Amino acid sequence: KNEVEQSPQNLTAQEGEFITINCSYSVGISALHWLQQHPGGGIVSLFMLSSGKKKHGRLIATINIQEKHSSLHITASHPRDSAVYICAVGLGGGSEKLVFGKGTKLTVNP
Amino acid sequence: NAGVMQNPRHLVRRRGQEARLRCSPMKGHSHVYWYRQLPEEGLKFMVYLQKENIIDESGMPKERFSAEFPKEGPSILRIQQVVRGDSAAYFCASSRDYQETQYFGPGTRLLVL
Repeated sequence: KNEVEQSPQNLTAQEGEFITINCSYSVGISALHWLQQHPGGGIVSLFMLSSGKKKHGRLIATINIQEKHSSLHITASHPRDSAVYICAVGLGGGSEKLVFGKGTKLTVNP
Repeated sequence: NAGVMQNPRHLVRRRGQEARLRCSPMKGHSHVYWYRQLPEEGLKFMVYLQKENIIDESGMPKERFSAEFPKEGPSILRIQQVVRGDSAAYFCASSRDYQETQYFGPGTRLLVL
C-alpha cells in the first residue's frame, strides 16, 4: 500500500465546475504539499500546509490531521487548470524529503 | 529573482557513459533536493543536500549514483555507466530552510540509448 493515495486518478470536468481532488496518507507528516505538473512537465508548488485551510485565488486546500486526509478544491474551473495535481507529504524527522502520490490528471473542457 | 535552474534540459547518453545533471537553487536557498520521475510513474525522492553536506540519501541507488552540493557552484547529480533504466526526468528543488516550501526546477530529461 502506498503511503500517499490520491483519488480520483483521472478527472474530466466542464468549464466552470467545482472540482475536488482527495489525498490520504498513512504516515506521520510534518507538512502536506499540493503540486501542479503541466503537460510540458514543469512542477509548481501550490500549497504547503500542516493544519487547517489555505486559499489562493480559485484554489483551496484543506487538511484534517486526525483523519490524515487533505483535499484540493478548484472553483470555477477553466481549461488552463488542466494538469496533473500531485499530493506529497514531508516526513520531517531531520529530512524534509517528500513522498508523492501518483497524481490526479485533470482535464477541463471548454 | 530567478527560479531554480537546471541544465541541461535534455541529455542523451549511450549505455556506459556518464551523465552530469546540474542544479542551481534559487538565490538565498541552501537546501537542495533531487527527485526522479520514471516514465508513467510518480516522483520519487533521491537525495537531500545542504551546502557541502548530504543530509539524506536514502532514495539514491547504491551504485553508480552520487550527488554533491559544493560551497561554490551548483549541485551536481552524477550517474556513472548509465543504463536504459536510468532514462527519466530528474527534478531538482530548493528551499530556503528546513521544512519550507520547495521550489522545483524545470527538470532534466535523460534519455539513454
